[in-house]
Amino acid sequence: AQKVTQAQTEISVVEKEDVTLDCVYETRDTTYYLFWYKQPPSGELVFLIRRNSFDEQNEISGRYSWNFQKSTSSFNFTITASQVVDSAVYFCALSEVTTDSWGKLQFGAGTQVVVTP
Amino acid sequence: DGGITQSPKYLFRKEGQNVTLSCEQNLNHDAMYWYRQDPGQGLRLIYYSQIVNDFQKGDIAEGYSVSREKKESFPLTVTSAQKNPTAFYLCASSEDSSGYTFGSGTRLTVV
Repeated sequence: AQKVTQAQTEISVVEKEDVTLDCVYETRDTTYYLFWYKQPPSGELVFLIRRNSFDEQNEISGRYSWNFQKSTSSFNFTITASQVVDSAVYFCALSEVTTDSWGKLQFGAGTQVVVTP
Repeated sequence: DGGITQSPKYLFRKEGQNVTLSCEQNLNHDAMYWYRQDPGQGLRLIYYSQIVNDFQKGDIAEGYSVSREKKESFPLTVTSAQKNPTAFYLCASSEDSSGYTFGSGTRLTVV
């Protein structure tokens, strides 16, 4: 069965510090997608990035960057030069493609990021 | 604009009552999902439906029921059998495993 582990419950930083969120996943499927979502206090989920299992190219988008390593089943997320507006809960998620439960999006427990001025 | 509409945004229920949460999408997506979120916790899957007239239990289906009579609608009923229904409920839809659209959620409180 698919599983996503976010071991960090909460991370507190001072503005302008970098923050790295860890995500480790388990799946028996050879084809899958990994996601990062942001959930501000309003509760809505904001999509940040998607990676498929065949694309290990790391990506940088503004202050965000992602490190996908299939060898260690990890999909880590870094916020560079954090800002107060980055304060939110961040979720890592996994969906399988070829199993009977395709589409079933499995979430990690989430990491609360608190950025103080 | 295409999207998912969840209603109501806030819902109060008396103990022992059933209540139905609405989820409608106009994205023509085949699959729809219901998630529950408790304070400080992640999202847990209640039910999902990959196609009309079919649905599967998720990780925490006990005390909930769903129907999928129309492609665009996937209502969730929280029954009196659900012992602790106070939570934030999110509905989502997808065409496949590559992308998901989420609603804005319903906060259910038992009073």
